[in-house]
Amino acid sequence: DGGITQSPKYLFRKEGQNVTLSCEQNLNHDAMYWYRQDPGQGLRLIYYSQIVNDFQKGDIAEGYSVSREKKESFPLTVTSAQKNPTAFYLCASKTSGASGANVLTFGAGSRLTVL
Amino acid sequence: AQSVTQLGSHVSVSEGALVLLRCNYSSSVPPYLFWYVQYPNQGLQLLLKYTSAATLVKGINGFEAEFKKSETSFHLTKPSAHMSDAAEYFCAVSYNAGNMLTFGGGTRLMVKP
Repeated sequence: DGGITQSPKYLFRKEGQNVTLSCEQNLNHDAMYWYRQDPGQGLRLIYYSQIVNDFQKGDIAEGYSVSREKKESFPLTVTSAQKNPTAFYLCASKTSGASGANVLTFGAGSRLTVL
Repeated sequence: AQSVTQLGSHVSVSEGALVLLRCNYSSSVPPYLFWYVQYPNQGLQLLLKYTSAATLVKGINGFEAEFKKSETSFHLTKPSAHMSDAAEYFCAVSYNAGNMLTFGGGTRLMVKP
C-alpha cells in the first residue's frame, strides 16, 4: 500500500546532539513537508520541497535543515541550534497541481524528546 | 495572509450527543477548506474537504461540514457522538490548489460514556 513512512517513532536526544528524522513516501508525490506539533499550537511548517533538489523555509526553520536528493525521501535534521526541539514531528506529501486539490497525506509522526 | 481559527481548544460531549466543532477562516477569495482528524500519537487523516462544489460536504465516519460564505465558517458536525470519535480535529485552509495549507490550533474532542 502507498503511504508515508516516518522513522524512528520515538527518539531521545541529549542536548547538543544533532538528530535526523527519516521520511519516505511511495505515493509518487512531488511535494513534501515537515511540520512541528506542540500541544495547543496546531501544526507549524518547518520546511517544504516542491521538487527534487529544491526546498524552502517554512515559518519556523531556524535550527533545522533538510535535503531532497530523491523524490521519495525528505529527511529532517534537528540541529543543536534548535533551542526547544522536544516535539512531535510530522511529515506530509501531496501531488502537485490542481488535481490533488491540496490534500496532504501524513506520516504517523516521530516524537523527539531532549533529555 | 490566510488564517483559520478554531473556537474551543477542548470540547466535551456525551456519547450519542451532537458534535459541533467550530472553524472560521479569513479570506477575500473562495478558499479550499479541510478537516483532519488525529488520533493519539498518529498522523493526521483527512475527514473531508470543500473545493467550491456543494456547500454541504460529507466525510468519513459520519461527519459533515457546511461552508457558509456569509459567516466565513466551515463548522464540523456529527449527529451522534461515538466513543471512537475522541481525537483532535484540525481545520485547514488554502486559497488555490498549489497554495500552502494553514492549520488552525486544533480542537480536542472528548466523548463521555
